[in-house]
Amino acid sequence: KNQVEQSPQSLIILEGKNCTLQCNYTVSPFSNLRWYKQDTGRGPVSLTIMTFSENTKSNGRYTATLDADTKQSSLHITASQLSDSASYICVVSTSGGSYIPTFGRGTSLIVHP
Amino acid sequence: DTGVSQDPRHKITKRGQNVTFRCDPISEHNRLYWYRQTLGQGPEFLTYFQNEAQLEKSRLLSDRFSAERPKGSFSTLEIQRTEQGDSAMYLCASSLGDRPQETQYFGPGTRLLVL
Repeated sequence: KNQVEQSPQSLIILEGKNCTLQCNYTVSPFSNLRWYKQDTGRGPVSLTIMTFSENTKSNGRYTATLDADTKQSSLHITASQLSDSASYICVVSTSGGSYIPTFGRGTSLIVHP
Repeated sequence: DTGVSQDPRHKITKRGQNVTFRCDPISEHNRLYWYRQTLGQGPEFLTYFQNEAQLEKSRLLSDRFSAERPKGSFSTLEIQRTEQGDSAMYLCASSLGDRPQETQYFGPGTRLLVL
């Protein structure tokens, strides 16, 4: 069964600090891994996407890494801002056949001033 | 075009009633997806369309759920004989191409409460 596990479930940090969110997956055959940011009451917004051959992808203060061998990904947020408070969701998609993405439960991040 | 829109944004209904939600994708996006999200969980894939063709519907939660995209533009998701367990946020997303790595753009969602 395809699964995506995220940790921690929730995280509280002070403004300006860095943090790293983790994603482990058992999805096969692997196509790509995407990180989304979801503000409360809104739809998710894509931050980064990585395919099998990519190890790192950056989007401003967000940097995602992918280790396809260990099936792990991380999302690093640098110099956090209050607006980073949101849920961060890891999504893994399969290749070939019908499209069915597997979503993690998300990590809830709260940035305090 | 301002993005994916969904209507209504909120819906309160009584158990046993039918509800229908509408999604208008970004213009020229040929793929449209429906998801359900309950509190504290990530979105759960329900179904998707390539133009007017429904390519995957095995993940629809029961035969009470159905979706259409008759002209390949907007889509509707209908839930018949609603149950309290159907209370959730229903998200719609669209993408331009048919590759798995195409970015999906999500709408704001329709929040359903079944009393």
